[in-house]
Formats: sequence, C-alpha cells, structure tokens
Amino acid sequence: EVQLVESGGGLVLPGGSLRLSCAASGFTFSNFWMSWVRQAPGKGLEWVANINQDGSQNYVDSVKGRFTISRDNAKNSLDLQMNSLRVEDTAVYYCAREGAWHLDLWGRGTLVTVSS
Amino acid sequence: QSALTQPPSASGSPGQSVTISCTGTSSDIGGYNYVSWYQQHPGKVPKLMIYEVTKRPSGVPDRFSGSKSGNTASLTVSGLQAEDEADYYCSSYGGRKNYVFGTGTKVTVL
Repeated sequence: EVQLVESGGGLVLPGGSLRLSCAASGFTFSNFWMSWVRQAPGKGLEWVANINQDGSQNYVDSVKGRFTISRDNAKNSLDLQMNSLRVEDTAVYYCAREGAWHLDLWGRGTLVTVSS
Repeated sequence: QSALTQPPSASGSPGQSVTISCTGTSSDIGGYNYVSWYQQHPGKVPKLMIYEVTKRPSGVPDRFSGSKSGNTASLTVSGLQAEDEADYYCSSYGGRKNYVFGTGTKVTVL
C-alpha cells in the first residue's frame, strides 16, 4: 500500500526541540521530492519545508535557522528536526509527497503542541 | 510570502455549481502554471483534487475543474453533492522553490 506515516509529535516547552519522522512505503521514495506541511488548530495549511532527491532543502522564512529537513533514501524515511520551538509552531504536521509543485500523497499527520 | 486570497465561504444547492477563486500575484499564480487545489473534510487529511491548473488525478470526479486567468485561479464544482461539503485550499509554486497556500474556503451544500 502506498502510504506515509508520521511519528514523533507531542508536547514540548517553548524553546525546546522535537524530531518528527515520516516512514514511506509502497513507492520508490528516492525518486520524489518530499515536503512537510503544517496546520495550526482551526487554521489553514502552511508549507514548511521540502527536500529533493539529493538532499537540497528549502524552507518557509518563519522556520529558517530553526528547522532542518532531512531524508534517508536507504530507509525510506523523512525527518524534520525542530529546534527553538515557539507557541506559534503548534500544529498538525503532515508529511507529503511531491509531484510537479503539487502534493499528491499525504500522511495522517502528527500533532505538535508547544506550550508551557 | 503572503498567502493566496480565497473567499472564506461558498455555498450551493445539490446539483448546482459553485466556483471558488484564488487570487495571488505575478510572482506566484500569474507566473507559473503550477496551481493545485486540495479538499479537506473536517478532521481528515487534505486530498489533491486539481494540479497544474486544470489536471485531475485519477479517481477525482470530472465534476471538479480548474482554470486560471492572470493572477487568479478558480475551482469549479459542478453538480454539487453532499460529500463535496468541505474546506478547499488552493496552492501555487511561489517562485523561490517554495509553495504558497490559499486562506481556505468552506463550501456548504445547502
């Protein structure tokens, strides 16, 4: 089955760190760009970061210098290391597979809550 | 980069059509044919409905269609059905190897 499964979400204090993971299966992971997209409670979608097949990364301005996207093509996995977390980073984080600047496969998401 | 502008809500009766607009700039929608649309039911995962302005993924009914004129893209849902009631988000390539999403539109089937 073609799917993406996120893990690693949870409750973290402001200023803390968290590492999200996404396990891909059912397709040739190494052939695709991958993205992280987040959705704050009751809000819209916001693209966070993406990474191409070779590891080149792009980020939304609000997370630059704090978040790092990475991938392991041998393990079919995608990660998002989140440091210096802020209350406004609270959201469901989705892992998504990219087509030509569209997102054609989404995971179920993992909730990150930044709160004291 | 600013979010694309969508109307907060739209509605129609079963069988009718509803069109949702998505307004950007020449740096995103107007500059590229990489507009996509996503449907999201409450508590569910977003689903790709349209990509590259007009293309439908396999399995998406042909009641869903997309178009673009200048800096504005549109999604039309024809023959509205109860299951079309959901939030819809547009997205565009943002020109700097990034995506920009729309503000979202809640579609209600009356």
